[in-house]
Amino acid sequence: EVQLVESGAGLVQPGGSLRLSCAASGFTFSLHWMHWVRQAPGKGLEWVSRINSDGKYITYADSVKGRSTISRDNAKNTLYLEMNSLRAEDTAIYFCAREALVGRTQTDAFDVWGQGTMVTVS
Amino acid sequence: QSALTQPPSASGSPGQSVTISCTGTSSDVGGYNLVSWYQQFPGKAPKLMIYEVSKRPSGVPDRFSGSKSGNTASLTVSGLQAEDEADYYCSSYGGRYNVVFGGGTKLTVI
Repeated sequence: EVQLVESGAGLVQPGGSLRLSCAASGFTFSLHWMHWVRQAPGKGLEWVSRINSDGKYITYADSVKGRSTISRDNAKNTLYLEMNSLRAEDTAIYFCAREALVGRTQTDAFDVWGQGTMVTVS
Repeated sequence: QSALTQPPSASGSPGQSVTISCTGTSSDVGGYNLVSWYQQFPGKAPKLMIYEVSKRPSGVPDRFSGSKSGNTASLTVSGLQAEDEADYYCSSYGGRYNVVFGGGTKLTVI
């Protein structure tokens, strides 16, 4: 079964740090670009960050740039997101998501999502 | 990285068709055929319904269709069913390897 499972949920004080993990299974993790997407309570989806298949190309949303680091370990089939200098507005469910591949072409569409992990900054 | 604009709500009766719009700019929606649509139920992860403007992943009913004209993309749900009641989000490639989402539309089946 194709699956993404996030972990690392927690309550963090403002200014604190957190590391989220996303364990992938059921597919060839190393072939896919991966993303983090977050959703504040009662709000819409917000794209956070992208990492390409070998980890060399990385981008961030302006809202987290300079405070976050996305990384991946293809040997462990795991995606990570480290967040520092956390603010109240970072409070959200954080989803990891797989970017769909059509052949060998990226689609900027997310076809597999984890269940999400809740980060509360307070 | 401004969010795409969606109407907050949409509604229709069973069997009817409803269309949800998603307006961006020439830097995102209008500039690339990389618009996606997601369905989300409360407390659940989003589900991909449409990618690359109008393509349906395997398993998505053909009642769901997508299109784009200029800077506005649209999701149409035909033959509306009670189970279609959910939140719908559009997204687009926004250039420089960024992705931008719409604010979401709550679809109510009356």
